[in-house]
Amino acid sequence: EAGVAQSPRYKIIEKRQSVAFWCNPISGHATLYWYQQILGQGPKLLIQFQNNGVVDDSQLPKDRFSAERLKGVDSTLKIQPAKLEDSAVYLCASSLAGSSAFFGQGTRLTVV
Amino acid sequence: AQSVTQPDIHITVSEGASLELRCNYSYGATPYLFWYVQSPGQGLQLLLKYFSGDTLVQGIKGFEAEFKRSQSSFNLRKPSVHWSDAAEYFCAVGDYKLSFGAGTTVTVRA
Repeated sequence: EAGVAQSPRYKIIEKRQSVAFWCNPISGHATLYWYQQILGQGPKLLIQFQNNGVVDDSQLPKDRFSAERLKGVDSTLKIQPAKLEDSAVYLCASSLAGSSAFFGQGTRLTVV
Repeated sequence: AQSVTQPDIHITVSEGASLELRCNYSYGATPYLFWYVQSPGQGLQLLLKYFSGDTLVQGIKGFEAEFKRSQSSFNLRKPSVHWSDAAEYFCAVGDYKLSFGAGTTVTVRA
């Protein structure tokens, strides 16, 4: 079974630039999550989708972050404009309803 | 509000020795509890989970964890550590929305 796919693996941008991350969940998984993991901390949920609808985006900084899940499969997370404090690993995860989440390898973002 | 505390930032253990990682949680109802492991440059892999029933949970790679409601704890154990167990370990609590601890880094010395 293929796992959660994320791209790119690494990204370096200058502050105030924009960046986008892509996630392809495990086939059949209706629930998709985006987490932010700052160095030395545990992952923090940014947004959760159920199919193509948003379940929870309470911790998403909506002035600069946006996410979409068109057709209820792939998802993209965008940051515009980026700040230095956005440097982190962005993890995508997916799950079946009521079951444990499977995580991708993440995208490491460095903002300089 | 749900939260997780992992009191140990870093633990060093000798290969073959036992390992115990501590986790304390705060949750309003019966918690769903998880342990994940993260190797460098990798995503999180689920080691084990507790939803209900037997409070001693067996996981992959020889790990087990014990849920103690009275102590609000869910400590992870392994009887004999292998060098490949060197990684960062995260405890998490929640249902659809997980709250993670800050993690414990495990170093294994030969």
